[in-house]
Amino acid sequence: GAVVSQHPSRVICKSGTSVKIECRSLDFQATTMFWYRQFPKKSLMLMATSNEGSKATYEQGVEKDKFLINHASLTLSTLTVTSAHPEDSSFYICSASPVADQETQYFGPGTRLLVL
Amino acid sequence: GEDVEQSLFLSVREGDSSVINCTYTDSSSTYLYWYKQEPGAGLQLLTYIFSNMDMKQDQRLTVLLNKKDKHLSLRIADTQTGDSAIYFCAESRSDTGGRALTFGSGTRLQVQP
Repeated sequence: GAVVSQHPSRVICKSGTSVKIECRSLDFQATTMFWYRQFPKKSLMLMATSNEGSKATYEQGVEKDKFLINHASLTLSTLTVTSAHPEDSSFYICSASPVADQETQYFGPGTRLLVL
Repeated sequence: GEDVEQSLFLSVREGDSSVINCTYTDSSSTYLYWYKQEPGAGLQLLTYIFSNMDMKQDQRLTVLLNKKDKHLSLRIADTQTGDSAIYFCAESRSDTGGRALTFGSGTRLQVQP
């Protein structure tokens, strides 16, 4: 089946630093990838839709200057948490839909971010 | 607005059937999904159903959709301890062309041996 990877799987950083999270579709191409955030024991909340070759579409309340998204190729999207603060600590999950099967989303394993 | 609701917890004995319920609000959703999340892991797609279907069966999994009541359920037959996880239902968002998903809060299934 289709595989989506994320790197790193977990990261600990100091407050004020920036962290980049990569999302890759390993065996398929995806024109659209999605970034979700999951708080402990809570559901996933869509943060933004990442479109290859164009600007990301952010959900209401998500700061685009805080969460920078780049979708440079059909297999890679990156989320950069800029000037991270403890309240940004969370589980970040990406998903991707194959070009050939756009009704199905495959999720990455997630990245756990802890900001000290 | 969009809202997907699930009960928070379900406990069953091994070998019994589990039924996890979900209600959604976006009547224009094209697809409805069930995902499984094990501790510390990402989401695994279990199954999905097209909105014009009433039922879909896939091995031990049966999905029932009542579009009139906007009610979705997942039945797991012969539940095993390995089925213990959090189960999320999700609806495709019609305002994004059905691409992005709105998730429920998740139902924690505990299977007792």
